Amino acid sequence: AQSVTQPDIHITVSEGASLELRCNYSYGATPYLFWYVQSPGQGLQLLLKYFSGDTLVQGIKGFEAEFKRSQSSFNLRKPSVHWSDAAEYFCAVAAMGSASKIIFGSGTRLSIRP
Amino acid sequence: NAGVTQTPKFRVLKTGQSMTLLCAQDMNHEYMYWYRQDPGMGLRLIHYSVGEGTTAKGEVPDGYNVSRLKKQNFLLGLESAAPSQTSVYFCASSGRGVLETQYFGPGTRLLVL
Repeated sequence: AQSVTQPDIHITVSEGASLELRCNYSYGATPYLFWYVQSPGQGLQLLLKYFSGDTLVQGIKGFEAEFKRSQSSFNLRKPSVHWSDAAEYFCAVAAMGSASKIIFGSGTRLSIRP
Repeated sequence: NAGVTQTPKFRVLKTGQSMTLLCAQDMNHEYMYWYRQDPGMGLRLIHYSVGEGTTAKGEVPDGYNVSRLKKQNFLLGLESAAPSQTSVYFCASSGRGVLETQYFGPGTRLLVL
């Protein structure tokens, strides 16, 4: 069964600084990978997804993520964060061939220091 | 175009009471999902539906029932609420399962005393 680990529960970065949120997955084959963002009191919104092809994926709001098969990782990056990026970020995985189920990580809460 | 809406936004129940959470989507999506979100645990799939009249169990289905009588609606029922069901419940929909973007509702906060 697939699983997702987000090792950082809470990260604080200064506005304008770069950001990297870590995500490791466990799955025997190439999975479908996702990053979602949840602003306070809101539902989740898809930032980006990886199915195949180019391992560097561009998303909305200036985010990107890189799939590294050798490290079973799918880390989320942004070169310069804005105060509006403060939110909770979830990495998720779905098994290739499974169109119905997606497993979410426990989330990383991002705070922005003015 | 409202997207995904959830009713109610907040509810307090006593142990043993029943209630139904309503999810509605206006995007003509085939797939609909119910998740619960608990602190430190991310979202866990309760039940899902791949089309009108169909339902299937997710990761944590015990204590919940669902129905999808109309394509646009997905109901989540708690027959006898327990304090362990205190959580935030999110509904989502997508066109062709997780390969397409899941659109989430704003959530229902449920407190069971």
